[in-house]
Amino acid sequence: ETGVTQTPRHLVMGMTNKKSLKCEQHLGHNAMYWYKQSAKKPLELMFVYSLEERVENNSVPSRFSPECPNSSHLFLHLHTLQPEDSALYLCASSQDRGDHEQYFGPGTRLTVT
Amino acid sequence: GIQVEQSPPDLILQEGANSTLRCNFSDSVNNLQWFHQNPWGQLINLFYIPSGTKQNGRLSATTVATERYSLLYISSSQTTDSGVYFCAVERRKTSYDKVIFGPGTSLSVIP
Repeated sequence: ETGVTQTPRHLVMGMTNKKSLKCEQHLGHNAMYWYKQSAKKPLELMFVYSLEERVENNSVPSRFSPECPNSSHLFLHLHTLQPEDSALYLCASSQDRGDHEQYFGPGTRLTVT
Repeated sequence: GIQVEQSPPDLILQEGANSTLRCNFSDSVNNLQWFHQNPWGQLINLFYIPSGTKQNGRLSATTVATERYSLLYISSSQTTDSGVYFCAVERRKTSYDKVIFGPGTSLSVIP
């Protein structure tokens, strides 16, 4: 148990669906992250959120939309996804951005049909 | 951008054996972490080690930042050590922090 939870753990969705992934951290951290892990590829940082600002990876398509309503919750809204978006989506948190350990949730295994 | 390499890519050990995993990075970094990803996908922090040496039970790690590498030592390996080991480096830039993961070392410990 790392103090970071994610729901759902598994998700199957069609290309026309809209769904959201949820992440919650119970560590009192100020920064939260979304990562994508595809088969045979390194983890890719998608988004970073802190109290002050959001940082985007420039290569993330607009069909992925993050939302951070407060420092404990992070969402990833999904719409009109493609089959190549099927992957393990991991959420992480850290005390602050930079110079701090990141703690990961268990991930959401997403399959786009 | 910064490149992160890990070696070996795959490793099979007999239970009880020792091993050394390596992480090389192409530029100076501010932070480095080692993670273990279990077969269910959970990433577990092993070490936060931008420099120096740390030990935690059967595991230890050393980072030589000036030579741009880090080593993870596993002693007396157990079947529960199986999984993928990642190093992740962070290089702070003027506008945001960039975390880069290596490709991982896949470890199988057999009884």
